[in-house]
Amino acid sequence: GDSVTQMEGPVTLSEEAFLTINCTYTATGYPSLFWYVQYPGEGLQLLLKATKADDKGSNKGFEATYRKETTSFHLEKGSVQVSDSAVYFCALSVANTGNQFYFGTGTSLTVIP
Amino acid sequence: DTGVSQNPRHKITKRGQNVTFRCDPISEHNRLYWYRQTLGQGPEFLTYFQNEAQLEKSRLLSDRFSAERPKGSFSTLEIQRTEQGDSAMYLCASSLAQGAYEQYFGPGTRLTVT
Repeated sequence: GDSVTQMEGPVTLSEEAFLTINCTYTATGYPSLFWYVQYPGEGLQLLLKATKADDKGSNKGFEATYRKETTSFHLEKGSVQVSDSAVYFCALSVANTGNQFYFGTGTSLTVIP
Repeated sequence: DTGVSQNPRHKITKRGQNVTFRCDPISEHNRLYWYRQTLGQGPEFLTYFQNEAQLEKSRLLSDRFSAERPKGSFSTLEIQRTEQGDSAMYLCASSLAQGAYEQYFGPGTRLTVT
């Protein structure tokens, strides 16, 4: 079946450190891949997406590249800020399953000054 | 664009009672999804609608759960005879049926069953 495996947290980094959150997937069809972010007390927000192999999604300094050969979509940011503290969810959707999302378990990130 | 809204934001109920949640999607979105999220987990798919038609239901959706989307606008999710295991955050999302299919999520309804 379709699923997402996400790097477990929590992750604690100092401000300006480099961030990587690993995400790998299994899909029966050709998935679209997403990263969502959930700030404390808020709903899920789309951070970035990629819909085909080798696409790079980017937003707010975050990037992720759709790697079909390794079935991965790792999230990276070169220099994190305190305001990036949140829970990050990797997700996939496949058109032939009504585009329901399959989410990873989430990775909690805390950035300390 | 006012975003996806959900009401109520919080609901506390006693075991065995029925509860109903409402979701208002982004107005031009014809797909509407319900998810459930428990602490420390990612959201899990429950069901989705395209316009007024309920097209898929997860095996997680027991017969105590029912969802409707009359007229293809807002949707309701009802849980009958609530159990403590139903305590969770219930999320609604909407999307267009075409394009990159990104889903826009509401703030959720947190249900606590005592």
